[in-house]
Amino acid sequence: NAGVMQNPRHLVRRRGQEARLRCSPMKGHSHVYWYRQLPEEGLKFMVYLQKENIIDESGMPKERFSAEFPKEGPSILRIQQVVRGDSAAYFCASSPSGPGHYGYTFGSGTRLTVV
Amino acid sequence: RKEVEQDPGPFNVPEGATVAFNCTYSNSASQSFFWYRQDCRKEPKLLMSVYSSGNEDGRFTAQLNRASQYISLLIRDSKLSDSATYLCVVNEGNKLVFGAGTILRVKS
Repeated sequence: NAGVMQNPRHLVRRRGQEARLRCSPMKGHSHVYWYRQLPEEGLKFMVYLQKENIIDESGMPKERFSAEFPKEGPSILRIQQVVRGDSAAYFCASSPSGPGHYGYTFGSGTRLTVV
Repeated sequence: RKEVEQDPGPFNVPEGATVAFNCTYSNSASQSFFWYRQDCRKEPKLLMSVYSSGNEDGRFTAQLNRASQYISLLIRDSKLSDSATYLCVVNEGNKLVFGAGTILRVKS
């Protein structure tokens, strides 16, 4: 039973390019969460999705960032026109039900470097 | 005030020592509480849930004080492999909120 799968593990983008980060939740998990961890800082919530629905995007920057979790396929976090400040580790997590009793299982993360 | 506050440390302890971490949270409506550990450049991993009655898992004991909005983690007989960052986590509505973490370094 594979865990939460994220790819790519490392992504390098030039300023102004687009970054696409993918996350496949654990089998049987329909709730997906994206977090960002800046260097030397804690994890910050970005967005919570269920299949085809955004439940809570209160942590998403207002511009350039979007997320989706289609009926088929992985969840995608998309960052348009990346800037140096977007360099961070982006972690995806999943759970079998809402963010209550069970905690989350995290993927290994995507480390985005903007040059 | 931060939603979840932890002493960043680092806590430098010898092998075999007992060490305790504390955490406070701001939202009295929070219902679920966890401790995670994160190794350098790795993903956070769930260590244990925290219940009002307190709970123990081997060398690890977690306590919750709802009145004081305070959570603790006690590690007995520290091992070198316990060296990591320990994250206090609290649910707030639709999300889990992570503290910035407490660094533990266990030395031989």
